[in-house]
Amino acid sequence: EAQVTQNPRYLITVTGKKLTVTCSQNMNHEYMSWYRQDPGLGLRQIYYSMNVEVTDKGDVPEGYKVSRKEKRNFPLILESPSPNQTSLYFCASSSLKEAFFGQGTRLTVV
Amino acid sequence: AQSVTQPDIHITVSEGASLELRCNYSYGATPYLFWYVQSPGQGLQLLLKYFSGDTLVQGIKGFEAEFKRSQSSFNLRKPSVHWSDAAEYFCAVANFNKFYFGSGTKLNVKP
Repeated sequence: EAQVTQNPRYLITVTGKKLTVTCSQNMNHEYMSWYRQDPGLGLRQIYYSMNVEVTDKGDVPEGYKVSRKEKRNFPLILESPSPNQTSLYFCASSSLKEAFFGQGTRLTVV
Repeated sequence: AQSVTQPDIHITVSEGASLELRCNYSYGATPYLFWYVQSPGQGLQLLLKYFSGDTLVQGIKGFEAEFKRSQSSFNLRKPSVHWSDAAEYFCAVANFNKFYFGSGTKLNVKP
């Protein structure tokens, strides 16, 4: 079964404490990406990766980092989280014809 | 630049009534178009997609969408809404692997 798994599902953290949200896919897709979802704004792309060791900024990359050391994994790193990064985050793995999404990570930064 | 507009933020329909959710896109070439649904607390599930060919596309859960190039639209329709259709719906256009999403339409269903 095609699957994108991200963890954790819920996270509450304090400002400045580094965190990582993991994402893994089992479809052997080359392209993976991270989105954040905010009310009234839809989903906005944070970072994407076209293959192993190839990553690039999306539309809202400030305050985030990513890495792609293996094809199946694409973690999202917040080195110093701030309250404006409180949001719902989705990892996606896509081909040309479809994007598969994880279940989402609801992050609260206090 | 690619963009997607969903002009309706909220829509309320009665159960059993018909539904149409609007989507307009801006894209230079022939678009790949999608509709996704997000139930509360869930991820995004693909309802249907259009790449080429027949402009009326059938999807899951009884949904369909019609691609109209002249209007740059890809509206989602359902002839009879069920209470379980209450969710948020996102239209998207894909440029290679990158997806551009509209801001979403929240559907409420009255009993």
